[in-house]
Amino acid sequence: EAEVAQSPRYKITEKSQAVAFWCDPISGHATLYWYRQILGQGPELLVQFQDESVVDDSQLPKDRFSAERLKGVDSTLKIQPAELGDSAMYLCASSINGVSGYTFGSGTRLTVV
Amino acid sequence: AQSVTQLGSHVSVSEGALVLLRCNYSSSVPPYLFWYVQYPNQGLQLLLKYTTGATLVKGINGFEAEFKKSETSFHLTKPSAHMSDAAEYFCAVSERGGGNKLTFGTGTQLKVEL
Repeated sequence: EAEVAQSPRYKITEKSQAVAFWCDPISGHATLYWYRQILGQGPELLVQFQDESVVDDSQLPKDRFSAERLKGVDSTLKIQPAELGDSAMYLCASSINGVSGYTFGSGTRLTVV
Repeated sequence: AQSVTQLGSHVSVSEGALVLLRCNYSSSVPPYLFWYVQYPNQGLQLLLKYTTGATLVKGINGFEAEFKKSETSFHLTKPSAHMSDAAEYFCAVSERGGGNKLTFGTGTQLKVEL
């Protein structure tokens, strides 16, 4: 079964450092999503791509977060500088369209110390 | 704007008992509806979804959910709980039309006791 790949699985970083997460969606999935899940809460959308274009980044803290999907395939989410409040699970998902469903990766657990 | 309400952040059942996890949505047009399960430090796994057609949807691991438009609900049930069902469950919605983001509820932690 096809999977969404994410790396790293776990990341510990110090406050004010830069950190990056990578996601490789299922082949052929044009839509890619980055979600942030704070402990004890449901995931919240940070950014949505359609191919290489950003469709929705209204909840992305643009002063410190950036996301790119240069060739419309894999994607990178960056935080610089990291803050203590950024500690969370970062989930990547992809879909062909909303009807067929969304497939999530295993996530990256970020701890900022 | 869409929203999802999951009643009960923690639910505890005995092994073999009925599981009922509640989900209500708020949307001007009936959305697509999903239930996901999450095990500790894992991603989200799709249990089932409703997009169109029959309102009783069967999913994996013996779970099912019924879309009730009049009640704006999509409750998740399983006739007999198993220890392996202990996890966090999320209800989610997306607007019809495809390619739209998922909006999640706050989740329900299911505990299964012997």
